[in-house]
Amino acid sequence: DSGVTQTPKHLITATGQRVTLRCSPRSGDLSVYWYQQSLDQGLQFLIQYYNGEERAKGNILERFSAQQFPDLHSELNLSSLELGDSALYFCASSVGDTGAYEQYFGPGTRLTVT
Amino acid sequence: GENVEQHPSTLSVQEGDSAVIKCTYSDSASNYFPWYKQELGKRPQLIIDIRSNVGEKKDQRIAVTLNKTAKHFSLHITETQPEDSAVYFCAAKRVFGNEKLTFGTGTRLTIIP
Repeated sequence: DSGVTQTPKHLITATGQRVTLRCSPRSGDLSVYWYQQSLDQGLQFLIQYYNGEERAKGNILERFSAQQFPDLHSELNLSSLELGDSALYFCASSVGDTGAYEQYFGPGTRLTVT
Repeated sequence: GENVEQHPSTLSVQEGDSAVIKCTYSDSASNYFPWYKQELGKRPQLIIDIRSNVGEKKDQRIAVTLNKTAKHFSLHITETQPEDSAVYFCAAKRVFGNEKLTFGTGTRLTIIP
């Protein structure tokens, strides 16, 4: 157990819908990272937050957005869902924004869009 | 930005033999290189990492080597066991700054009993 929690574990929804994925970082970690992993694919970095502020952006679609709250948990919002958005979504956390510290991954949320 | 290439994409070795996975990176300023192991349907788990001030790091059956001049680093697993079967990802980033962790495309390692 890495100490990073994600909810829900599984999510099944229809095209065009909107969902919210939630992540709680390890105690003491200020940075949260979101990744998308499609079937048999690598880890695509989406976005990073540090202490409530956006710090880095990767291949995140405009239909997707995220935020980090004062209690440091983060939410990833996916809207106008398409079949191709079906994937495992991981969040990871680390101590600092510089990335000097290891990233620890949560168990992931498996999103299925039908 | 950083680009990480990983080879091979699949690797099968006999139980007890050694496995080597290689990665190259493009950004000469990268100085942190972790390796993650991901079992099917589970989270990536950090198994070992190396920083650019050392050339080799070992942890029991796992070792990582780094060649900064050539910009490549490798994961070595000795005396492989069935539980080593998984997908392994290398990654690279600058420790300082807002650069993201860039992952390789992964190597599916299968240990043949």
